[in-house]
Amino acid sequence: GQNIDQPTEMTATEGAIVQINCTYQTSGFNGLFWYQQHAGEAPTFLSYNVLDGLEEKGRFSSFLSRSKGYSYLLLKELQMKDSASYLCAALDSNYQLIWGAGTKLIIKP
Amino acid sequence: GAVVSQHPSWVICKSGTSVKIECRSLDFQATTMFWYRQFPKQSLMLMATSNEGSKATYEQGVEKDKFLINHASLTLSTLTVTSAHPEDSSFYICSGGGEAYNEQFFGPGTRLTVL
Repeated sequence: GQNIDQPTEMTATEGAIVQINCTYQTSGFNGLFWYQQHAGEAPTFLSYNVLDGLEEKGRFSSFLSRSKGYSYLLLKELQMKDSASYLCAALDSNYQLIWGAGTKLIIKP
Repeated sequence: GAVVSQHPSWVICKSGTSVKIECRSLDFQATTMFWYRQFPKQSLMLMATSNEGSKATYEQGVEKDKFLINHASLTLSTLTVTSAHPEDSSFYICSGGGEAYNEQFFGPGTRLTVL
């Protein structure tokens, strides 16, 4: 079956760096997405990786290893507003998104 | 970026009534629209995929007669929850697909509470 695994919850300190991991098993693969979702709001797009390697976008970076079925989202210089759930989603061979359950990130002062 | 709106943003209704949720792509044409449901502390669950002018494709376990989806134009899709019950209370989110398969723009969501 198809599966996405990511930690349920993580805690980090304001100003620090945090890495949220995601492993996936899908029938075919056409890329991996990271979304940010604040409580009570819809997800907002953060990144899309389809090739191996690191993509940097400001304070956020996303990494993909297709051979390992692994991705991570790296958040630097954490701010209180980064407290949210981070959703990992893989695009399968039918171009359907398979969603992880999300990682709730708690930022402490 | 592309904007998707949803209306209403929240609704409270009595058990047994029907509720219609509208999803509009404001500045692009969404050939495909997706409807998701999200229960508290859970991830998004795809309910159905609709293409303009054709019948929606429902995910396994989603009752097509209960969740009516209409995608009459490239900018509007509607989800009607018929004979709503308390267990249908959830956060309903739509998204519109852009021209590239990796584009998906989310609406702000509709919180439905059925009493």
